[in-house]
Amino acid sequence: GQNIDQPTEMTATEGAIVQINCTYQTSGFNGLFWYQQHAGEAPTFLSYNVLDGLEEKGRFSSFLSRSKGYSYLLLKELQMKDSASYLCAPMDSNYQLIWGAGTKLIIKP
Amino acid sequence: GAVVSQHPSWVICKSGTSVKIECRSLDFQATTMFWYRQFPKQSLMLMATSNEGSKATYEQGVEKDKFLINHASLTLSTLTVTSAHPEDSSFYICSARDRGFDTGELFFGEGSRLTVL
Repeated sequence: GQNIDQPTEMTATEGAIVQINCTYQTSGFNGLFWYQQHAGEAPTFLSYNVLDGLEEKGRFSSFLSRSKGYSYLLLKELQMKDSASYLCAPMDSNYQLIWGAGTKLIIKP
Repeated sequence: GAVVSQHPSWVICKSGTSVKIECRSLDFQATTMFWYRQFPKQSLMLMATSNEGSKATYEQGVEKDKFLINHASLTLSTLTVTSAHPEDSSFYICSARDRGFDTGELFFGEGSRLTVL
């Protein structure tokens, strides 16, 4: 079956760094997306990885290891506005995104 | 980036009435649009995949006669919740895939919060 595993909730301090891990099992693989979703809003795109390695985009970086079925999202210089849910979504062989429940990130001053 | 517009953002209706939600891709052509439902503190649940010019493909457990989907053009898909009941109250989100975008990135609408009284 297809499965996504992310921590349910994480807490971090403003200005710090946090890493959100994601392990996945899918039928085929065509890349992995990270989305941010604030409460009551639709998800917004953060990153896409299809090859192994680290992709850096400003304060956010995303890492992928296809052989391990593992990805992480790294957030630096945390700001209060980063409080949101972060969704790891791999794409299967049919180009369908597989969604988990996401990780709720709470930022404290 | 590509923009998907969803309307209405909020809707309140009486039980037994029907509600239509529109999803438009504003600056790209979307051969495929997806409709999701999300209950509080839960993950996105794919309801159906809408393909332009053909019938939608519904996920298991989603009633096609209750959730009518029409994808009449490359920029518009509609979801109609027929004979809505309080248990249909939820956050409905559409997304679209740019036919010219190889990575398959999904662009999301703003979402529509439906409350059935």
